[in-house]
Amino acid sequence: TQLLEQSPQFLSIQEGENLTVYCNSSSVFSSLQWYRQEPGEGPVLLVTVVTGGEVKKLKRLTFQFGDARKDSSLHITAAQPGDTGLYLCAGFNRDDKIIFGKGTRLHILP
Amino acid sequence: NAGVTQTPKFRILKIGQSMTLQCAQDMNHNYMYWYRQDPGMGLKLIYYSVGAGITDKGEVPNGYNVSRSTTEDFPLRLELAAPSQTSVYFCASSYSPAKTGNTIYFGEGSWLTVV
Repeated sequence: TQLLEQSPQFLSIQEGENLTVYCNSSSVFSSLQWYRQEPGEGPVLLVTVVTGGEVKKLKRLTFQFGDARKDSSLHITAAQPGDTGLYLCAGFNRDDKIIFGKGTRLHILP
Repeated sequence: NAGVTQTPKFRILKIGQSMTLQCAQDMNHNYMYWYRQDPGMGLKLIYYSVGAGITDKGEVPNGYNVSRSTTEDFPLRLELAAPSQTSVYFCASSYSPAKTGNTIYFGEGSWLTVV
């Protein structure tokens, strides 16, 4: 069974600080997506990474796909209260089945 | 911009009751999905459909049924509700298979409590 482990589970930091959250697996994924989910809403896609070693930037968010396509990280620079939410990674295996991690719950304190 | 619409938003069921969660999308997507999200857990796929008239089981289908009579609608039926089905349910859709580069659009969720 393919699993995606996200860490940390919870993170609470002050506004303006930097942070990194991780998504790891022992399996190879053809691609990986990051979603943000705010309370009372469904997940919203942030980015898809496809190539091993790929780095994508979305304003203050930087996403990286590991060289071996088994892991990914999300780095947020100068976190803001609007970044608060549940961050989910989701990987696509060779059968194009999507597998979600349990998420990292991020809280940015003003 | 309706996107994926789910109803009801909240529902309390008694053990053994049945109900249907409604889902509609207006993006002409062929692929639709039902997920459940338990506290502290990721999303688990219940059922999915690749087009009208075609449905298939996901990871956790027991206790649920679906139908897909039209492209737009994908209702999820709970028969004989059990406390283990207390969860948040998300309907989602995508234009093509949920694969590389394709976006999955989620509804706002339906909070279901079985008591």
